[in-house]
Amino acid sequence: GNSVTQMEGPVTLSEEAFLTINCTYTATGYPSLFWYVQYPGEGLQLLLKATKADDKGSNKGFEATYRKETTSFHLEKGSVQVSDSAVYFCALSDQASGYSTLTFGKGTMLLVSP
Amino acid sequence: GAVVSQHPSWVICKSGTSVKIECRSLDFQATTMFWYRQFPKQSLMLMATSNEGSKATYEQGVEKDKFLINHASLTLSTLTVTSAHPEDSSFYICSARDGSGGSRPQFFGPGTRLTVL
Repeated sequence: GNSVTQMEGPVTLSEEAFLTINCTYTATGYPSLFWYVQYPGEGLQLLLKATKADDKGSNKGFEATYRKETTSFHLEKGSVQVSDSAVYFCALSDQASGYSTLTFGKGTMLLVSP
Repeated sequence: GAVVSQHPSWVICKSGTSVKIECRSLDFQATTMFWYRQFPKQSLMLMATSNEGSKATYEQGVEKDKFLINHASLTLSTLTVTSAHPEDSSFYICSARDGSGGSRPQFFGPGTRLTVL
């Protein structure tokens, strides 16, 4: 079955530091890949996505590249801000189930200090 | 665009009562809606998937008689937790998607925190 593995958190960084959150996946076929962000007490917001190999998704300074050869979709940001503190979820979706449901990783908490 | 709302945002109820949570897509027609449950500091667990006008498909281990899902229109789905007990206390999140296909993203509601006393 499908699975998504994320690095365990929390990831603690100082403001303006470089961020990497690793994500690897196992899936049948050619999945679409997503990063979602969840701020405290809120639902998930789509951060970025990529639908095929070598695609790069980007939004709000975050980016991730769909690497089929390493089955990875690592999230990066060059300079984090305190407001980026949240939980980040990597997810995939494919047609195998017939409903194209999302499979989530366990989430990685990011804490950015001033 | 692509806004999904949930109501209520939080609810406290007594054990044994039923609670209904609404999920609405405000600016698009949601062919498919999903219901998730999230425990503290954990990932989302998919409970069920519903297509408009059809019966919901429940994930393994989710009691369909306890968690009633209705997707009566392209903009509204409801989750009713029947005879709620303290172990049902959780954060319930819905999402919606317009159309099929794995490349189309799901848009999530803000969540409903249910506390059963």
